Amino acid sequence: EMHLVQSGAEVKKPGESLKISCKGSGYRFTDYWIAWVRQMPGKGLEWMGIVYPDDSDTRYSPSFRGQVTVSADKSVNTAYLQWSSLKASDTAIYFCARVEQYWHMRSPLDYWGQGTLVTVSS
Amino acid sequence: SYDLTQPPSVSVSPGQTAIIACSGDNLGDKYVSWYQQKPGQSPVLVMYEDYKRPSGIPERFSGSNSGNTATLTISGTQSMDEADYYCQAWDSGTAPQVAFGGGTKLTVL
Repeated sequence: EMHLVQSGAEVKKPGESLKISCKGSGYRFTDYWIAWVRQMPGKGLEWMGIVYPDDSDTRYSPSFRGQVTVSADKSVNTAYLQWSSLKASDTAIYFCARVEQYWHMRSPLDYWGQGTLVTVSS
Repeated sequence: SYDLTQPPSVSVSPGQTAIIACSGDNLGDKYVSWYQQKPGQSPVLVMYEDYKRPSGIPERFSGSNSGNTATLTISGTQSMDEADYYCQAWDSGTAPQVAFGGGTKLTVL
Protein backbone atom coordinates (compact mmCIF):
# COMPACT_ATOMS: atom_id res chain seq x y z
CA GLU A 1 0.00 0.00 0.00
CA MET A 2 1.26 3.42 -0.97
CA HIS A 3 2.04 5.96 1.77
CA LEU A 4 3.54 9.40 2.16
CA VAL A 5 4.44 9.98 5.81
CA GLN A 6 5.42 13.46 6.89
CA SER A 7 7.43 14.57 9.89
CA GLY A 8 5.71 15.87 13.00
CA ALA A 9 4.46 19.29 14.00
CA GLU A 10 7.03 22.01 14.63
CA VAL A 11 7.00 25.15 16.78
CA LYS A 12 9.71 27.63 15.87
CA LYS A 13 10.68 31.24 16.50
CA PRO A 14 11.04 33.85 13.76
CA GLY A 15 14.47 33.71 12.19
CA GLU A 16 15.02 30.03 12.93
CA SER A 17 15.65 27.42 10.25
CA LEU A 18 13.58 24.32 9.63
CA LYS A 19 13.55 21.23 7.43
CA ILE A 20 10.48 19.00 7.23
CA SER A 21 10.28 15.65 5.51
CA CYS A 22 8.02 13.40 3.48
CA LYS A 23 8.88 9.70 3.24
CA GLY A 24 7.38 7.56 0.51
CA SER A 25 6.70 3.84 0.65
CA GLY A 26 4.75 1.23 -1.27
CA TYR A 27 5.83 2.46 -4.69
CA ARG A 28 9.01 3.19 -6.64
CA PHE A 29 9.92 6.55 -5.13
CA THR A 30 12.14 7.61 -8.02
CA ASP A 31 9.36 7.21 -10.62
CA TYR A 32 7.22 10.05 -9.28
CA TRP A 33 7.60 13.72 -8.50
CA ILE A 34 6.84 15.06 -5.02
CA ALA A 35 5.01 18.37 -4.77
CA TRP A 36 4.71 20.61 -1.72
CA VAL A 37 1.50 22.50 -0.95
CA ARG A 38 0.84 25.15 1.70
CA GLN A 39 -2.43 25.68 3.49
CA MET A 40 -2.51 28.71 5.76
CA PRO A 41 -5.01 28.69 8.65
CA GLY A 42 -8.55 28.67 7.29
CA LYS A 43 -7.34 29.19 3.70
CA GLY A 44 -6.99 27.27 0.47
CA LEU A 45 -4.24 25.24 -1.16
CA GLU A 46 -1.14 26.88 -2.63
CA TRP A 47 1.44 25.05 -4.75
CA MET A 48 4.99 25.74 -3.63
CA GLY A 49 7.28 23.58 -5.71
CA ILE A 50 8.11 20.11 -6.91
CA VAL A 51 11.09 17.76 -6.95
CA TYR A 52 11.96 14.64 -8.94
CA PRO A 53 13.81 12.37 -6.51
CA ASP A 54 15.63 10.42 -9.22
CA ASP A 55 17.77 13.37 -10.30
CA SER A 56 16.69 16.11 -7.83
CA ASP A 57 15.29 18.27 -10.64
CA THR A 58 13.39 21.02 -8.83
CA ARG A 59 10.85 23.64 -9.90
CA TYR A 60 9.24 26.39 -7.85
CA SER A 61 6.14 28.51 -7.87
CA PRO A 62 7.22 32.12 -8.49
CA SER A 63 5.52 32.97 -5.18
CA PHE A 64 7.85 30.70 -3.23
CA ARG A 65 11.10 30.79 -5.22
CA GLY A 66 13.85 32.06 -2.96
CA GLN A 67 11.69 31.61 0.14
CA VAL A 68 12.02 27.83 0.53
CA THR A 69 14.18 24.98 -0.73
CA VAL A 70 12.77 21.70 -1.99
CA SER A 71 15.03 18.67 -2.16
CA ALA A 72 15.05 14.89 -2.07
CA ASP A 73 17.27 11.98 -1.01
CA LYS A 74 16.41 8.91 -3.06
CA SER A 75 18.58 6.68 -0.87
CA VAL A 76 16.03 7.08 1.93
CA ASN A 77 12.91 7.68 -0.22
CA THR A 78 12.42 11.09 1.34
CA ALA A 79 11.63 14.58 0.08
CA TYR A 80 12.26 17.74 2.06
CA LEU A 81 11.04 21.30 2.39
CA GLN A 82 13.26 23.75 4.22
CA TRP A 83 13.46 27.34 5.36
CA SER A 84 16.60 29.24 6.31
CA SER A 85 14.82 31.99 8.22
CA LEU A 86 11.21 31.48 9.23
CA LYS A 87 8.65 34.26 9.51
CA ALA A 88 5.38 34.34 11.41
CA SER A 89 3.61 34.30 8.05
CA ASP A 90 5.06 30.82 7.39
CA THR A 91 2.63 29.44 9.97
CA ALA A 92 0.62 26.86 8.02
CA ILE A 93 0.07 23.20 7.31
CA TYR A 94 2.40 21.86 4.65
CA PHE A 95 1.42 18.85 2.56
CA CYS A 96 3.50 16.72 0.26
CA ALA A 97 1.79 14.95 -2.62
CA ARG A 98 2.79 12.56 -5.36
CA VAL A 99 2.68 13.51 -9.05
CA GLU A 100 3.24 10.92 -11.75
CA GLN A 101 4.31 13.18 -14.57
CA TYR A 102 5.25 16.85 -14.48
CA TRP A 103 6.04 17.93 -18.03
CA HIS A 104 2.87 16.43 -19.53
CA MET A 105 0.72 18.80 -17.46
CA ARG A 106 -2.08 16.33 -16.90
CA SER A 107 -1.19 14.31 -13.82
CA PRO A 108 -3.10 14.94 -10.60
CA LEU A 109 -1.63 15.05 -7.12
CA ASP A 110 -2.84 11.55 -6.49
CA TYR A 111 -1.67 10.73 -2.97
CA TRP A 112 -1.09 13.18 -0.16
CA GLY A 113 0.83 13.08 3.08
CA GLN A 114 -0.94 13.73 6.36
CA GLY A 115 0.43 17.26 6.58
CA THR A 116 2.94 18.96 8.88
CA LEU A 117 1.79 21.89 11.01
CA VAL A 118 4.45 24.56 11.30
CA THR A 119 3.87 27.27 13.87
CA VAL A 120 6.19 30.27 13.92
CA SER A 121 5.75 32.51 16.95
CA SER A 122 7.94 34.56 19.22
CA SER B 1 -0.12 32.91 -13.09
CA TYR B 2 -3.31 31.11 -14.04
CA ASP B 3 -6.44 31.97 -12.05
CA LEU B 4 -9.13 29.43 -11.23
CA THR B 5 -12.36 30.76 -9.73
CA GLN B 6 -14.78 28.75 -7.59
CA PRO B 7 -17.87 29.85 -5.66
CA PRO B 8 -17.06 30.07 -1.96
CA SER B 9 -20.01 27.94 -0.99
CA VAL B 10 -22.65 25.59 -2.34
CA SER B 11 -25.55 24.17 -0.37
CA VAL B 12 -27.61 21.10 -1.21
CA SER B 13 -30.22 18.94 0.46
CA PRO B 14 -29.43 15.27 1.06
CA GLY B 15 -30.23 13.18 -1.99
CA GLN B 16 -30.11 16.15 -4.34
CA THR B 17 -27.47 16.99 -6.95
CA ALA B 18 -24.61 19.31 -6.07
CA ILE B 19 -22.77 21.10 -8.86
CA ILE B 20 -19.48 22.84 -8.12
CA ALA B 21 -18.06 25.03 -10.86
CA CYS B 22 -14.50 26.07 -11.58
CA SER B 23 -13.76 28.71 -14.18
CA GLY B 24 -10.60 29.79 -15.92
CA ASP B 25 -9.48 31.17 -19.24
CA ASN B 26 -9.82 28.40 -21.86
CA LEU B 27 -9.97 25.88 -19.03
CA GLY B 28 -11.44 23.34 -21.44
CA ASP B 29 -8.02 23.11 -23.08
CA LYS B 30 -6.49 21.87 -19.86
CA TYR B 31 -6.89 18.78 -17.69
CA VAL B 32 -8.72 19.46 -14.43
CA SER B 33 -8.51 17.53 -11.19
CA TRP B 34 -10.71 17.87 -8.11
CA TYR B 35 -9.85 17.31 -4.46
CA GLN B 36 -12.08 16.81 -1.44
CA GLN B 37 -10.84 18.01 1.94
CA LYS B 38 -12.70 17.36 5.16
CA PRO B 39 -11.84 19.30 8.33
CA GLY B 40 -8.53 18.27 9.83
CA GLN B 41 -7.73 15.90 6.96
CA SER B 42 -5.51 15.87 3.91
CA PRO B 43 -7.01 16.50 0.47
CA VAL B 44 -8.22 13.43 -1.39
CA LEU B 45 -8.28 13.16 -5.18
CA VAL B 46 -11.87 12.59 -6.36
CA MET B 47 -11.59 13.37 -10.09
CA TYR B 48 -8.75 13.66 -12.58
CA GLU B 49 -8.32 14.36 -16.29
CA ASP B 50 -11.68 16.11 -16.19
CA TYR B 51 -13.97 13.11 -15.70
CA LYS B 52 -11.96 10.10 -14.47
CA ARG B 53 -12.69 8.72 -11.00
CA PRO B 54 -9.85 7.23 -8.94
CA SER B 55 -10.39 3.80 -7.49
CA GLY B 56 -12.61 3.95 -4.42
CA ILE B 57 -14.44 7.15 -5.35
CA PRO B 58 -18.21 6.57 -5.53
CA GLU B 59 -19.97 6.68 -8.88
CA ARG B 60 -22.12 9.59 -7.69
CA PHE B 61 -19.09 11.81 -8.37
CA SER B 62 -18.71 12.92 -11.98
CA GLY B 63 -16.84 15.65 -13.81
CA SER B 64 -16.82 17.60 -17.04
CA ASN B 65 -14.79 20.38 -18.61
CA SER B 66 -15.57 22.56 -21.59
CA GLY B 67 -15.01 26.12 -22.66
CA ASN B 68 -14.04 28.15 -19.63
CA THR B 69 -15.74 26.00 -17.00
CA ALA B 70 -15.16 22.66 -15.34
CA THR B 71 -17.76 21.14 -13.08
CA LEU B 72 -17.80 18.53 -10.36
CA THR B 73 -21.22 16.97 -9.96
CA ILE B 74 -22.30 14.92 -6.97
CA SER B 75 -25.54 13.05 -7.58
CA GLY B 76 -27.56 11.86 -4.63
CA THR B 77 -25.43 13.91 -2.26
CA GLN B 78 -24.85 12.38 1.14
CA SER B 79 -23.94 14.01 4.44
CA MET B 80 -20.49 12.42 4.18
CA ASP B 81 -19.85 14.54 1.06
CA GLU B 82 -19.86 17.74 3.11
CA ALA B 83 -16.34 19.11 2.65
CA ASP B 84 -14.23 21.68 0.89
CA TYR B 85 -13.62 20.98 -2.79
CA TYR B 86 -10.71 22.35 -4.81
CA CYS B 87 -10.22 22.31 -8.56
CA GLN B 88 -6.71 22.17 -9.98
CA ALA B 89 -5.15 22.60 -13.40
CA TRP B 90 -1.66 22.94 -14.80
CA ASP B 91 -0.50 26.28 -16.12
CA SER B 92 2.06 26.19 -18.91
CA GLY B 93 4.91 28.64 -19.09
CA THR B 94 8.64 28.41 -18.90
CA ALA B 95 7.94 25.54 -16.54
CA PRO B 96 4.60 23.97 -15.64
CA GLN B 97 2.90 25.36 -12.54
CA VAL B 98 0.07 23.92 -10.50
CA ALA B 99 -2.93 26.21 -10.11
CA PHE B 100 -5.62 25.64 -7.49
CA GLY B 101 -9.03 27.19 -7.26
CA GLY B 102 -9.90 28.98 -4.06
CA GLY B 103 -12.08 26.14 -2.85
CA THR B 104 -15.83 25.62 -2.41
CA LYS B 105 -17.43 24.70 0.89
CA LEU B 106 -20.17 22.15 0.19
CA THR B 107 -22.84 22.11 2.86
CA VAL B 108 -25.37 19.29 2.95
CA LEU B 109 -28.36 20.72 4.78
